[in-house]
Amino acid sequence: AQKVTQAQTEISVVEKEDVTLDCVYETRDTTYYLFWYKQPPSGELVFLIRRNSFDEQNEISGRYSWNFQKSTSSFNFTITASQVVDSAVYFCALRDGRGATNKLIFGTGTLLAVQP
Amino acid sequence: NAGVTQTPKFQVLKTGQSMTLQCAQDMNHEYMSWYRQDPGMGLRLIHYSVGAGITDQGEVPNGYNVSRSTTEDFPLRLLSAAPSQTSVYFCASSSARTGGRETQYFGPGTRLLVL
Repeated sequence: AQKVTQAQTEISVVEKEDVTLDCVYETRDTTYYLFWYKQPPSGELVFLIRRNSFDEQNEISGRYSWNFQKSTSSFNFTITASQVVDSAVYFCALRDGRGATNKLIFGTGTLLAVQP
Repeated sequence: NAGVTQTPKFQVLKTGQSMTLQCAQDMNHEYMSWYRQDPGMGLRLIHYSVGAGITDQGEVPNGYNVSRSTTEDFPLRLLSAAPSQTSVYFCASSSARTGGRETQYFGPGTRLLVL
């Protein structure tokens, strides 16, 4: 069965601190996709990144970086020099590579609070 | 492009009432889905569609109906609302093209309260 675990329910940091959000996934598929979405207090879901199972290169986008490790089934998200605007719920999600369902399995989310 | 739009933004229903949550996208996406978000449970798939005229059930389909008569629209119907359907509902769409179909884009959500 597929599963995504975000063990950190809430994280609180002070502005300018670095913070890492953990994501561990389970799947038997050899082809799959991993995602991170941000849900700010306004409620919408904002797509941040997609990573497929064949690409283990880490990715950096500004203050955001992602560390994908198949050996530990993890896809962790790091925010460098956090800002108040980063305060949100962050979801990690998994999609298998087969079929046409496009079904996403979501973790339960991590609430990040960045204090000024 | 407006992207994915949802109406209404907020709705209060009484138990047993029916209603339709509207979802539309202007990106010519083949795939559309409905998810519900409940506290501590992330998002769960209700129904999805891979194209006009084709729909199927997701993880939590009971109490909901869908249809897809056009590429643009994918309404979600609650036939007889129950308090357990109090939730935030998100519609999502994605392309069927390789390299793009894996990423779903979400609407702003509809917050539903069933009394």
